[in-house]
Amino acid sequence: SQQGEEDPQALSIQEGENATMNCSYKTSINNLQWYRQNSGRGLVHLILIRSNEREKHSGRLRVTLDTSKKSSSLLITASRAADTASYFCATNTNAGKSTFGDGTTLTVKP
Amino acid sequence: SQTIHQWPATLVQPVGSPLSLECTVEGTSNPNLYWYRQAAGRGLQLLFYSVGIGQISSEVPQNLSASRPQDRQFILSSKKLLLSDSGFYLCAWNGGFAYNEQFFGPGTRLTVL
Repeated sequence: SQQGEEDPQALSIQEGENATMNCSYKTSINNLQWYRQNSGRGLVHLILIRSNEREKHSGRLRVTLDTSKKSSSLLITASRAADTASYFCATNTNAGKSTFGDGTTLTVKP
Repeated sequence: SQTIHQWPATLVQPVGSPLSLECTVEGTSNPNLYWYRQAAGRGLQLLFYSVGIGQISSEVPQNLSASRPQDRQFILSSKKLLLSDSGFYLCAWNGGFAYNEQFFGPGTRLTVL
């Protein structure tokens, strides 16, 4: 079964706006990761946040983690048309393997 | 630097035919290797992973098998394809379970007719 579930399933915004995607999970985790996938391509790792961290930044990306609510959010600021892609969260437990959600499809209109 | 290759990029096969997808990694040794399947508009389902040569763990019962004949080679196979085997197959590697970030190949689009 899926550990992570992203919300919304699809998001459409104008260039320059911020995009926020959420991920909820069910069991305790060691860390949570966000990946990006362009259509028909492999996934690219964006950022990892550990269970003892609450917020992390990387360029225009901001990730938060709330372990009490078992949720994470990915914020992309000042979006660009090139940010159009699907975004997936993946959780890791002590077993080490990653479990992926179904993703959020982001469309940024120029 | 490390690179990961998958081939073929696309494949159209009839039901009942065999399958062999190959994945190779360069620039690293003794990686963990993973095979995922992605249905249209969905997330990734882990099919197999390997922590070393000849060591294969299966995550879900299915019509597929995997082998790791060399340290940096991972093969996904089937003796007889089913319609339900259609999908996007992704190979990935990382340095081990302690290295959570995974590096993905470009994927193989398989259509079974």
